[in-house]
Amino acid sequence: KNQVEQSPQSLIILEGKNCTLQCNYTVSPFSNLRWYKQDTGRGPVSLTIMTFSENTKSNGRYTATLDADTKQSSLHITASQLSDSASYICVVTPGGSYIPTFGRGTSLIVHP
Amino acid sequence: EAQVTQNPRYLITVTGKKLTVTCSQNMNHEYMSWYRQDPGLGLRQIYYSMNVEVTDKGDVPEGYKVSRKEKRNFPLILESPSPNQTSLYFCASSLYQGLSEQYFGPGTRLTVT
Repeated sequence: KNQVEQSPQSLIILEGKNCTLQCNYTVSPFSNLRWYKQDTGRGPVSLTIMTFSENTKSNGRYTATLDADTKQSSLHITASQLSDSASYICVVTPGGSYIPTFGRGTSLIVHP
Repeated sequence: EAQVTQNPRYLITVTGKKLTVTCSQNMNHEYMSWYRQDPGLGLRQIYYSMNVEVTDKGDVPEGYKVSRKEKRNFPLILESPSPNQTSLYFCASSLYQGLSEQYFGPGTRLTVT
């Protein structure tokens, strides 16, 4: 069964600090890996989309990396802001499938 | 404004009473899908549609129906809701399935008593 595991489950950081969220997956082969940001009670918003051949993708202060050999991805947030407080979700879609597997998310809280 | 809309946003109903949650997008997207989100679980796909009149089951289709008669609309139908369908539901759309960005609706919180 395809699995996507995210760590840590929750994280508290101070405003202005950097942080890195982890995503390990068993999906293989995969078509693409996405990171989403979800504010409480709202729909997820796309941050990055990567294929298996890409190593890194940036979107402003968000940078996603991918190591297809170890089946790991990370999301690095630079110079965190209060508005970064949200859940961050890793999603992997298997190759040849249209059904994505979602991680349970990392809850990030940024304190002033 | 480019967006995905869902109605209703909140719904409390009783077991067995048929209901429809509407989803509409104004971006001329071909691909649309429905998800449910439950505490402690990741989002799970219910149904998806590659284009008009083309729909297929996702991970958890039991107890749900969908239709895609027009490109912009993708309603989710619960013929006989049960308490285990109490959840937060999201509709999403993208230009096509694959590497295009997916846009999610605001969500519909459904409670079945």
